[in-house]
Amino acid sequence: DAGITQSPRYKITETGRQVTLMCHQTWSHSYMFWYRQDLGHGLRLIYYSAAADITDKGEVPDGYVVSRSKTENFPLTLESATRSQTSVYFCASSDWPGELFFGEGSRLTVL
Amino acid sequence: ILNVEQSPQSLHVQEGDSTNFTCSFPSSNFYALHWYRWETAKSPEALFVMTLNGDEKKKGRISATLNTKEGYSYLYIKGSQPEDSATYLCARGSPGANNLFFGTGTRLTVIP
Repeated sequence: DAGITQSPRYKITETGRQVTLMCHQTWSHSYMFWYRQDLGHGLRLIYYSAAADITDKGEVPDGYVVSRSKTENFPLTLESATRSQTSVYFCASSDWPGELFFGEGSRLTVL
Repeated sequence: ILNVEQSPQSLHVQEGDSTNFTCSFPSSNFYALHWYRWETAKSPEALFVMTLNGDEKKKGRISATLNTKEGYSYLYIKGSQPEDSATYLCARGSPGANNLFFGTGTRLTVIP
């Protein structure tokens, strides 16, 4: 089915470990985004990608790495997880500047 | 970083009541205003994307207006139903895909 899927939906890890959150979309949207959602904040952009092999920083990129070798995939890696990265992460895709289509979110807890 | 303010933070209304809430944003370098509906345990879904001053958009019982000169947008829900219970997010964009900034949302609860 067409859509945008994230995995894992829930993840518990320890400080210092590497974690990768996966995002896959089937619409062939050129733009993809990673946001984090924390209490008291609106959705904040971590990284975005305008096309395969083109990525750029958002508002809160520190501690995160992204890649986009294929249009449909946009993984987000925390190279050395910290407790401050405990959050709910949302991937989205778009035919920018149109609306964003969000995945269901990945809840990450860093102990 | 742009301050996008939404008010109220939360509200409760009775089924059948009409309601509205506000999104305020800096008016300079405006490009687009997005509204999203976010139900608990689901993902945000787009309601409207508006770009022109004076824009009015409608989807069923939900409508929105936009004033880019004074920097605000209103979302209206006519005859609220329990299924309208959700958090309503607005986001204000400047040119550039990294320039869409979200408010913290208005949480609406419709009491049957």
